[in-house]
Amino acid sequence: ETGVTQTPRHLVMGMTNKKSLKCEQHLGHNAMYWYKQSAKKPLELMFVYNFKEQTENNSVPSRFSPECPNSSHLFLHLHTLQPEDSALYLCASRPGQGEMTGANVLTFGAGSRLTVL
Amino acid sequence: AQSVSQHNHHVILSEAASLELGCNYSYGGTVNLFWYVQYPGQHLQLLLKYFSGDPLVKGIKGFEAEFIKSKFSFNLRKPSVQWSDTAEYFCAVARGKAAGNKLTFGGGTRVLVKP
Repeated sequence: ETGVTQTPRHLVMGMTNKKSLKCEQHLGHNAMYWYKQSAKKPLELMFVYNFKEQTENNSVPSRFSPECPNSSHLFLHLHTLQPEDSALYLCASRPGQGEMTGANVLTFGAGSRLTVL
Repeated sequence: AQSVSQHNHHVILSEAASLELGCNYSYGGTVNLFWYVQYPGQHLQLLLKYFSGDPLVKGIKGFEAEFIKSKFSFNLRKPSVQWSDTAEYFCAVARGKAAGNKLTFGGGTRVLVKP
C-alpha cells in the first residue's frame, strides 16, 4: 500500500459510456498527477494539479476530463472514448511542485486498467 | 524535446547472473534521475534516485546506478539477481531547476529472471 489508492482497479466500457476513475491519497501531498501507461509506449504525463489548480495539460483530448476537488482527491472523467484509449491509468502524488529532489518525489497508485470496447 | 532511452526492451537471465540496464537521456542541463520498478500486478515503486553528489547511488534491494554526465547515462546494475527481481524497470528524468512537474520516462525494460 503506497498511500495512493485508485478505484476501480479494472474498468470495461463501451465507446458511448461515461465513467470516472478516482484517485485518493493519504500522504498529505499537494500535487497530483495522471499518467497513461500503454503497451509498448513510455508513460505519458496527462495532467498535473497543484493545490487543486490544474498546472499542466499535456495536449490530452477533451474526452478525458480531470477534476480535483481538493488536494487529496483526483478524478478522471471519461466520455466517448476510443479503443486506443485502453491502457493503465496511473495516479501519482508528491508533496509539492518544483524540483524533484529529496522527499519531493512521486508516489504512484496501483493504476486503473481501462478497456474500451 | 527531452527524451529518455532504454536500450533493451526485454532481458532474460538466470538467478545469480549480473544485471545491467542502460538508460540515456537527451537533456543537457541539470537533471534529477530515477529508476522505478513495477513488479507484476503492482504499482510503480521508486528504486533509487540521483540529485547531486556521489554519482554512484545505491537503492533498495541491492540495486545501484551510476550517473555518467559525459555520457548522459544512468545505468542500473545489480551484481546477482534473484527470481523476485522479475519486473519491468523504468528510467526517468526530471529537469533540475525548472519544469519540476515533468518526469519523462523511458519505454521500460522487462526483466525475466529464470529460477
